[in-house]
Amino acid sequence: AAGVIQSPRHLIKEKRETATLKCYPIPRHDTVYWYQQGPGQDPQFLISFYEKMQSDKGSIPDRFSAQQFSDYHSELNMSSLELGDSALYFCASSPGLAGVPEPHSNEQFFGPGTRLTVL
Amino acid sequence: DAKTTQPNSMESNEEEPVHLPCNHSTISGTDYIHWYRQLPSQGPEYVIHGLTSNVNNRMASLAIAEDRKSSTLILHRATLRDAAVYYCIFSGGGADGLTFGKGTHLIIQP
Repeated sequence: AAGVIQSPRHLIKEKRETATLKCYPIPRHDTVYWYQQGPGQDPQFLISFYEKMQSDKGSIPDRFSAQQFSDYHSELNMSSLELGDSALYFCASSPGLAGVPEPHSNEQFFGPGTRLTVL
Repeated sequence: DAKTTQPNSMESNEEEPVHLPCNHSTISGTDYIHWYRQLPSQGPEYVIHGLTSNVNNRMASLAIAEDRKSSTLILHRATLRDAAVYYCIFSGGGADGLTFGKGTHLIIQP
């Protein structure tokens, strides 16, 4: 079965640079979530989108922004990178209203992650 | 903040059943109970979820207390591949983000 696709899988940036991470949800999933997992930490929710509109917001820094496009893929844009931004970034998708038999029960399917290293 | 309480770690033998407990005393009547697991170097993986009734799927069973303030994830026959951190999370559904706590580190002995 098709899974969530994230690109790139690995990214190395310098401090103060920008980075863009991409996420392609499972086909027919209309909801996308972004999570950050620092070394030895548990995943932290950043932001989510449903039908291209921001839906829920977690601990996303102001330097980060995200959007969901008409084909439902999503991009996380990170500016003025800091050493502390080094982490695994996971994208997840869920079927939203299309979820059967429980629309909006919110089971999320995670991608393999993008490992961002800021030097 | 959606708060759950789980043991830091548990150990079990291969091919034996495993019962992973979770307390979620602040859960509301419309919150779903979710379980995810994370294997080393991988993204979290959905395991099972439920609302009020016990649930079974190919991976596990979920037993939910009558007052919904606790639940137990049951792995019927643990394998070495089940060694992971297991997270119990309650969520209002919709497009809400999941709040991951510390989880239970499950160790499987051969």
